[in-house]
Amino acid sequence: AQSVSQHNHHVILSEAASLELGCNYSYGGTVNLFWYVQYPGQHLQLLLKYFSGDPLVKGIKGFEAEFIKSKFSFNLRKPSVQWSDTAEYFCAVNARSGGSYIPTFGRGTSLIVHP
Amino acid sequence: KAGVTQTPRYLIKTRGQQVTLSCSPISGHRSVSWYQQTPGQGLQFLFEYFSETQRNKGNFPGRFSGRQFSNSRSEMNVSTLELGDSALYLCASSLADLGPSYEQYFGPGTRLTVT
Repeated sequence: AQSVSQHNHHVILSEAASLELGCNYSYGGTVNLFWYVQYPGQHLQLLLKYFSGDPLVKGIKGFEAEFIKSKFSFNLRKPSVQWSDTAEYFCAVNARSGGSYIPTFGRGTSLIVHP
Repeated sequence: KAGVTQTPRYLIKTRGQQVTLSCSPISGHRSVSWYQQTPGQGLQFLFEYFSETQRNKGNFPGRFSGRQFSNSRSEMNVSTLELGDSALYLCASSLADLGPSYEQYFGPGTRLTVT
């Protein structure tokens, strides 16, 4: 069965610091990768996605992620975080499993940015 | 365009009872997926309905069931509630069925507490 690991459960940064959140998945076939964000009191929303092509994908609010197939990784990055980036971040994989596509989410990383 | 709506937002039930949760997708979306979110397990996929048919199913017991109506609204039912069913239940809708490159839009969730 496929699985998604997010290595950092809690991250605390100061504004303007750089951010990198790790995400690794276990699945040998073709995958589609996503990062979702949940701001306090808001719905889960899509941050960025990778389907194919350029492994460096850019999302909303200055976020980007790089797909490294050989490392089964899809790490999220932002060069300079803001207080408003405080949220929970989820990595997700959509991959074929027994004839169906089953979305699998990581357990999330809680990011707190101090002003 | 209105987002995904879920009712009720909060629910308290007693062990052994059953519960029905409702989800109205974004207008025009034909796929509705359900997820269970808990602190210990994170976001776990329950099932997906597309055009009134269950297309995909996660690894949950048969006590968890759902259905979709012709207007794409969906209901999820949990019978014989257990304490461990306490969770945030999220609904997500998308234009197409869960394939290799779907994009989902999430609702606010229903917080179920089983006592």
